[in-house]
Amino acid sequence: QVQLVQSGTEIKKPGSSVKVSCKASGGTFSSYAISWVRQAPGRGLEWIGGIIPFFATADYAQKFQGRVTITAYESTTTAYMELNNLKSEDTAFYYCARGNLRDAYTSLNYWGQGTLVTVSS
Amino acid sequence: DIVMTQSPDSLAVSLGERATINCKSSQSVLYSSNNRNHLTWYQQRPGQPPKLLISWASTRESGVPDRFSGSGSGTDFTLTISSLQAEDVAVYYCQQHFTTPLTFGGGTKVEIK
Repeated sequence: QVQLVQSGTEIKKPGSSVKVSCKASGGTFSSYAISWVRQAPGRGLEWIGGIIPFFATADYAQKFQGRVTITAYESTTTAYMELNNLKSEDTAFYYCARGNLRDAYTSLNYWGQGTLVTVSS
Repeated sequence: DIVMTQSPDSLAVSLGERATINCKSSQSVLYSSNNRNHLTWYQQRPGQPPKLLISWASTRESGVPDRFSGSGSGTDFTLTISSLQAEDVAVYYCQQHFTTPLTFGGGTKVEIK
């Protein structure tokens, strides 16, 4: 069974950066896209971007382009999402998620438990 | 980007009654090469990550009760809960994966009347 385990809660200052990890277990890591989705308190779901580890090329939502970096390492079956120049509006739960089809961004069958990132001065 | 619009924003339904949620995409998410609608429905209970209910617009995931059903094609989709149970209180989201960026509807909150 696929499991995604994320790193813990982060409290950051405006202007700083945060890097959230997502450790995958069960199943093949390299062929399945890992997406990063965030959810501000009381708000909806927003796709930040994703990566297919085998290809190692990330795809980002335009809103986050230039401010986010998504990476994945097959050796440790871990994906990372780094968000720079944090603003208070970036306060949210950040989720990693994975689908069931190889080499494509699809439905998100498996989700991490979420990482709360709070940005506050 | 494909914009996903859900309606209503919220609804209150009596136990055992039907709940219907609509989702409209700004362009067709029917992929001609596989004749499948790239449309997914999720359920999110408070304090939990989303749970996949229905993929390809109408295929229920294993373990999802059969009171949940999805229908529609092209740009218009519906999630139906045929007989609402207490445990169905949640927010429901549609999502397209026809193209990146993946995009979600704004969510529909389902409550008990």
